[in-house]
Amino acid sequence: KNEVEQSPQNLTAQEGEFITINCSYSVGISALHWLQQHPGGGIVSLFMLSSGKKKHGRLIATINIQEKHSSLHITASHPRDSAVYICAVRPGGNNNDMRFGAGTRLTVKP
Amino acid sequence: GAGVSQSPSNKVTEKGKDVELRCDPISGHTALYWYRQRLGQGLEFLIYFQGNSAPDKSGLPSDRFSAERTGESVSTLTIQRTQQEDSAVYLCASSPRQLAGGYEQYFGPGTRLTVT
Repeated sequence: KNEVEQSPQNLTAQEGEFITINCSYSVGISALHWLQQHPGGGIVSLFMLSSGKKKHGRLIATINIQEKHSSLHITASHPRDSAVYICAVRPGGNNNDMRFGAGTRLTVKP
Repeated sequence: GAGVSQSPSNKVTEKGKDVELRCDPISGHTALYWYRQRLGQGLEFLIYFQGNSAPDKSGLPSDRFSAERTGESVSTLTIQRTQQEDSAVYLCASSPRQLAGGYEQYFGPGTRLTVT
């Protein structure tokens, strides 16, 4: 079993829909990241959070440390949001590595 | 300002040859990471550099893989005696500080390596 599990694996939505992508992890962490990987392969960091909630434009990320769960929400989705969304965690302690989920492929249709 | 750059963008090599991949981090970023993404799979951590400290090599898959970084500048990832399973996109990322300090990573465009 992977240490970081994402769901769903694939998601197709109509433009304007509210999107939720989930991430569950099994290790203690110091931080959780949400990344966006564009069809061309480039990766952009969307959020880094260790507690609570962050909002940037139409994107909202939440984390529940006790439940070891995070969600990424996209409001008023748009075709340009189509990408792979990756959840990654940095384990606690002296670990410098990152553990990645397999990603959620989002397609937003006009 | 300039982001993280990597070169080459694509590399095709024959099995058994050595390859060297380059990463230029954002100026002033002390932390640098190498990751690998095989086709259809998730990202894998390879190695981490922080300033002049000894690198964290815990993610390197075999002793054919090595990486160097001088100070807070360019890093090179070397793969010796390449194998077909080394085919992947190799991504570099830099950060102003160690992640625990609360700084995000900035990713380069990656080098797509194909071993034939």
